[in-house]
Amino acid sequence: SQTIHQWPATLVQPVGSPLSLECTVEGTSNPNLYWYRQAAGRGLQLLFYSVGIGQISSEVPQNLSASRPQDRQFILSSKKLLLSDSGFYLCAWSRSPRGTEQYFGPGTRLTVT
Amino acid sequence: DAKTTQPNSMESNEEEPVHLPCNHSTISGTDYIHWYRQLPSQGPEYVIHGLTSNVNNRMASLAIAEDRKSSTLILHRATLRDAAVYYCILRGAGYALNFGKGTSLLVTP
Repeated sequence: SQTIHQWPATLVQPVGSPLSLECTVEGTSNPNLYWYRQAAGRGLQLLFYSVGIGQISSEVPQNLSASRPQDRQFILSSKKLLLSDSGFYLCAWSRSPRGTEQYFGPGTRLTVT
Repeated sequence: DAKTTQPNSMESNEEEPVHLPCNHSTISGTDYIHWYRQLPSQGPEYVIHGLTSNVNNRMASLAIAEDRKSSTLILHRATLRDAAVYYCILRGAGYALNFGKGTSLLVTP
């Protein structure tokens, strides 16, 4: 069966510090990978998606970047965090580029102080 | 993607059926209707999806109106573990799942 992992589960970082969130998927190959953010009281917003190693597409302009160094690894980064980067970050995967079902990880709650 | 409208909240008693409505009057002919749910402090979980016909799976049933302008997610026997925010999403050709605010379901014993 497939599983998706995210870490850390929670993170408190000062403004201006760097960020690295990691997501890995097990039990499948060539997954399509996604990073979403959920701000307090709001819906999920797609930040990045990837259909293969090194292939990253950004949905919205922002202070964040993403990388996919391995087939089942997806990393979300920032060089300098802003207060507005606080939120619940979710990684997801699907079997096809516009896969019907997306499977979400447990999420990382980031608080920028 | 077309927009969906859901009630902000609903309440149900444990072990009773729950009907969660969703309106999507501007749905296009190729949009699939998806339902996800999100428990507190967890990632969303896929529940069910359909295009035109009613669908059943182990978690729920999806009833789709004949004109496809509305749909209803049916939980046959609500349990306390079904308390969550339920999202009705129209899935077109894009990569993103456009989660709105959903319906917060409260299940009382």
